[in-house]
This record gives sequence, C-alpha cells and structure tokens, in this order.
Amino acid sequence: KAGVTQTPRYLIKTRGQQVTLSCSPISGHRSVSWYQQTPGQGLQFLFEYFSETQRNKGNFPGRFSGRQFSNSRSEMNVSTLELGDSALYLCASSLPDRRRNTIYFGEGSWLTVV
Amino acid sequence: QKEVEQNSGPLSVPEGAIASLNCTYSDRGSQSFFWYRQYSGKSPELIMFIYSNGDKEDGRFTAQLNKASQYVSLLIRDSQPSDSATYLCAVRYDYKLSFGAGTTVTVRA
Repeated sequence: KAGVTQTPRYLIKTRGQQVTLSCSPISGHRSVSWYQQTPGQGLQFLFEYFSETQRNKGNFPGRFSGRQFSNSRSEMNVSTLELGDSALYLCASSLPDRRRNTIYFGEGSWLTVV
Repeated sequence: QKEVEQNSGPLSVPEGAIASLNCTYSDRGSQSFFWYRQYSGKSPELIMFIYSNGDKEDGRFTAQLNKASQYVSLLIRDSQPSDSATYLCAVRYDYKLSFGAGTTVTVRA
C-alpha cells in the first residue's frame, strides 16, 4: 500500500515568489492536513481538508492557502515568499474518524527561500 | 502555557536499557495521542497511537495514557542504537495535531 506522496521533495525559491506543493494521500484516506516544521517553531498545523472542504486552519497568514480535489489529492500554496517560510512542509493523511484513526506523514517538501 | 509539553532532553541511555519519555497536554477534550519518531532530515514516523486510558504495547514500545492527569508516556525497552532519534508527542483535538517540541534520545553502545 503506497504511503503519502509529496512533490516536489526539494525546492529553492526566491523571496517574493510563490510556491505550490502537492500531496497524494494514502488510498482510501479522505482527510489531508498540512504542517510546517522549522527548527525554531517545531511542527505547526497549517490546515486540514476533508471532501474538498477546509475544516480547520492554524494561525498562519493568508499567504498560506490550500485546496483539496475530488480524488482527495491536496495542494498548498504560499504566495509572496519570505525567508522565514523556509521549512519542511509535511502532508498527513488519515481516515475521517477523529478519535480512532492514525495519522501518517509523507516524506515532506523541503523549501528553501533565498 | 504550551498545549503539549515534553520532558526536556537530550536523553542518553545505554544500549539495552529502558528509555522513558513523558508528555503532558493542556486540553482535556483531546481525543487521541500519538508518538512519532523523527530521524534527522526525515519526516515523522508513527510509532504508537493511543486513545483509551491504560497501556498499549507494540513490540519494544509501550504507550501509557492517563487522561485524568493529562499525561501520556512512551517506554522503549531494550533500547538499540537505531532508536537514537527525536521523539515527538502529538495530541489530536478535532482535526488538528498539536506537537510537543520533541525529546532527543541517544542510545550509546
């Protein structure tokens, strides 16, 4: 069974540019969430989608956005990149039961903003 | 107060010993609890998942949950050098995971 797949794995962008990251969840998983990991702030929740609807959003500026498609695949976008956006962006997928289901992470997308 | 707090590391244990990791959380409505292992430069890997009070064992790993005390722990028995990593405690409420800062474990041969 394939795991959570994220693309691209590594990318370098310039300040002011935008970036789109993609995530394909585990087959059958319809909940997809995104996290940012930095050395200073640790792992922080960005947003979560289920059936193409955003159900929860973390405390990030509006430059961070996402969406989910009908096949459960998800994308996140960061516009007007800042140096502080350099981070590991992680996608996670799970079945929708909030209590009983495990959450699996993909390998992540390493973003460097220069 | 942080939502999820883990015992500060780093934690160094000899090979074959038990490593004990602790985590407390602030939201009593938290629904399930996770332990992830993260090697340097890699993404978090799920080790244990627990949502009922008590103990849950999986191989050399045992997770313990005490909702009354808002406390969850992870025991690693017979620690191996390959267990050297950062261990992240995560707490789920609604559709969001809140993470602790992590505890770095080093198993010395």
